[in-house]
This record gives sequence, structure tokens and C-alpha cells, in this order.
Amino acid sequence: GESVGLHLPTLSVQEGDNSIINCAYSNSASDYFIWYKQESGKGPQFIIDIRSNMDKRQGQRVTVLLNKTVKHLSLQIAATQPGDSAVYFCAESGGGADGLTFGKGTHLIIQP
Amino acid sequence: DSGVTQTPKHLITATGQRVTLRCSPRSGDLSVYWYQQSLDQGLQFLIQYYNGEERAKGNILERFSAQQFPDLHSELNLSSLELGDSALYFCASSRETGYQPQHFGDGTRLSIL
Repeated sequence: GESVGLHLPTLSVQEGDNSIINCAYSNSASDYFIWYKQESGKGPQFIIDIRSNMDKRQGQRVTVLLNKTVKHLSLQIAATQPGDSAVYFCAESGGGADGLTFGKGTHLIIQP
Repeated sequence: DSGVTQTPKHLITATGQRVTLRCSPRSGDLSVYWYQQSLDQGLQFLIQYYNGEERAKGNILERFSAQQFPDLHSELNLSSLELGDSALYFCASSRETGYQPQHFGDGTRLSIL
């Protein structure tokens, strides 16, 4: 079946730099996308979401970009901090179904 | 703290047994979802309930069942347990259905010996 995937399993960035985490999806019916952060021993924590009628949405230090033409989603984290170290998942739903399809996750490592 | 409460945090049992996992959604949330997270399969959607009724099924085995009670808490029942059922089981909730962010609890870690 169709699924959401991530390009890189691990991303290492310097503290203070910007981080960009990418995600590709294949389901053309997907119209709702969410980024989650998961720390060790915790459940996925909601970061930001975007609907398919938008191509950009900003939150506090985070921006999500959606390119429907190439079915690509990205999460930008500004001024990365040690507390941003976690596994980041993109997830999508669509076609009237609410159950989320998750990507495999990117482990963000912050270098001091 | 997401506001979603799951109990127990850890569960250790043997093959062939049956267990029940419990979830209390965030106050005011009507929709409850169950997910399984394992190293080989990642995070997978199992089932969704909305206001007491089953709304959608994902990759849920026939040995697994769930329900949502009038007070909106939910239980996931896993029976005839196999070694491969060892995983983290997460519950999430959202206010309504549709374009709603789902908020996750911290999961129940199930270990089958």
C-alpha cells in the first residue's frame, strides 16, 4: 500500500543552526499532514500540522512546507537547541480516513 | 503532558494470554485512536472510535479488539498473545474527526515472554 517515508534516518546539526527534515508521501488522496516529535520513553508529541490547501505554515521556531506537486513535506526548525534532539515523524491522512500513516522517522542529533 | 492517560505503563505476560490496555482521552475529546509501534513495522494505526462507535479500522489483527465506553475512555484487548505482539501501544485522541491533530499518550510497553 501507499505510505509516507523519510529521506534520512539520522540528521546531525550544530546547536544554533537551522534543521530541515524531509518527508515524501505517495498517497495522492492525502490532504492532511502532521509532524510529531518523539523523545525516548514518550509518545509522539504534536508539533505542527498543515492541510493540503496550504503550502506553508509557521509555528514557534518551526515551519512546515508542503509541495503537492512532488508530494514532499519538510519541517524546518530554527536555531536548533539541545531539547530538539528526538525522532521526528511525518504523518498523513486523507481520503476521508482519520487514521494516520507514519513515516519511518528521522533521528535529529544536536552537536554542541 | 498531552492530557492522554494510558495504563499500565508496562505489561509483561506470556504467549497465549490476554491483556487489556486502557486509555483516557483528553478532556472534551470524542475520538480515540490506537496505534502499535514496533522496530520492524514502525507506528501503525490499529483502530479508531468516535463517541462510542467504531469509525475506522487499520492494521488490526482479529485477535485484537477495542471499545469506547460512555465516559469516552477506551480499552484495547489483545488475546492469544504471540511473541510478535511485543510492542509499544499508543492511544491518541482528538476533539472531533477530520482535520484534527491527534494527541498521544506515553504508551503501554507490552512484553511477551
